Amino acid sequence: AQTVTQSQPEMSVQEAETVTLSCTYDTSESDYYLFWYKQPPSRQMILVIRQEAYKQQNATENRFSVNFQKAAKSFSLKISDSQLGDAAMYFCAYTSYDKVIFGPGTSLSVIP
Amino acid sequence: DGGITQSPKYLFRKEGQNVTLSCEQNLNHDAMYWYRQDPGQGLRLIYYSQIVNDFQKGDIAEGYSVSREKKESFPLTVTSAQKNPTAFYLCASSISQGRETQYFGPGTRLLVL
Repeated sequence: AQTVTQSQPEMSVQEAETVTLSCTYDTSESDYYLFWYKQPPSRQMILVIRQEAYKQQNATENRFSVNFQKAAKSFSLKISDSQLGDAAMYFCAYTSYDKVIFGPGTSLSVIP
Repeated sequence: DGGITQSPKYLFRKEGQNVTLSCEQNLNHDAMYWYRQDPGQGLRLIYYSQIVNDFQKGDIAEGYSVSREKKESFPLTVTSAQKNPTAFYLCASSISQGRETQYFGPGTRLLVL
């Protein structure tokens, strides 16, 4: 069965610094997508970035980028130039045709 | 503006009562989903629907029921059989089932009186 693990329940970063959130997953499928979602205190889930498993190039969205290591089944999120508004819960998610699995989340604090 | 709406924002349930959470989308998405989120935990899938008049159980469907009579609407009923319903409920939709990005509503907080 597919699983998604986020080994860091809590992380903190100094404003303007860089932080990396970890995510590992387990699957026997070859065709799947991976996502990072952000949930701020408002609890509205917001897409941060997505990665198609068939693409070797790592996805980037402005200050957010991923390190996708398919063989290692690792999908980490790097946030550069951290801002106070980045403080939130971050969830890693795996989807295939008939499966949607979210990790337990990492709570990110940003220190002014 | 296109998006997903959920109502109510807060819902109180008495013992033995069924309650229904509303989810509406105007994104013309085929697939819709219901998730439950407990404090300090990730999202767990309750039910999902790929198309009108069809839906599938997720990982924690016991004590819940859904319907999909219209493409835009996917209401969730929390029945009296759900013994621990206090949680935050999130509805989402995507263009199609599977690998597409999911877009989420603002959520409903359900509390038991």
